[in-house]
Amino acid sequence: GQNIDQPTEMTATEGAIVQINCTYQTSGFNGLFWYQQHAGEAPTFLSYNVLDGLEEKGRFSSFLSRSKGYSYLLLKELQMKDSASYLCADHNTDKLIFGTGTRLQVFP
Amino acid sequence: DADVTQTPRNRITKTGKRIMLECSQTKGHDRMYWYRQDPGLGLRLIYYSFDVKDINKGEISDGYSVSRQAQAKFSLSLESAIPNQTALYFCATSDFSGISTDTQYFGPGTRLTVL
Repeated sequence: GQNIDQPTEMTATEGAIVQINCTYQTSGFNGLFWYQQHAGEAPTFLSYNVLDGLEEKGRFSSFLSRSKGYSYLLLKELQMKDSASYLCADHNTDKLIFGTGTRLQVFP
Repeated sequence: DADVTQTPRNRITKTGKRIMLECSQTKGHDRMYWYRQDPGLGLRLIYYSFDVKDINKGEISDGYSVSRQAQAKFSLSLESAIPNQTALYFCATSDFSGISTDTQYFGPGTRLTVL
């Protein structure tokens, strides 16, 4: 089966930078998605990487290394509203395989 | 108006009852999906459909069935609900055409409780 691994919980301070890591199995890989999900709400799309390297979108950046089966989501200038779960998902044979998510708590 | 809608948003039912959850989308996407989310287990795929005539089982299809009534509608049924089907259910859609990345867009979710 496919394994997506990411930390269960992380904490950070408002204004800081946090990096959320994700590892996945490389067979059948066709892209890596990151979603944000606030408690009780729908996941919302943040980023997509299919080639190696860094994709930057404002305060959020996502990195991919296909050879290592590794990605990270970088959140800069953290705000209280960034407190949420961050889901890593492997796009594999036309389906998304989700990790269990990383719950990020931002403190003032 | 929301692009992906789900009804009902909340439902409490009893063991053995038949339940239908409905999903509609105005995004014009061909692909639709049903997931359930449980604490600590993440999102798990129940069924998916790549067009009106295509239905596929996902990771956890036992105890569920689906119907793709039209491009815009995809419903999930629990023929005889059981308590361990208590979960948050999400519908999603995606567009895999041209240069699209097959990004999935989620509905607001249905919170189902089976007593």
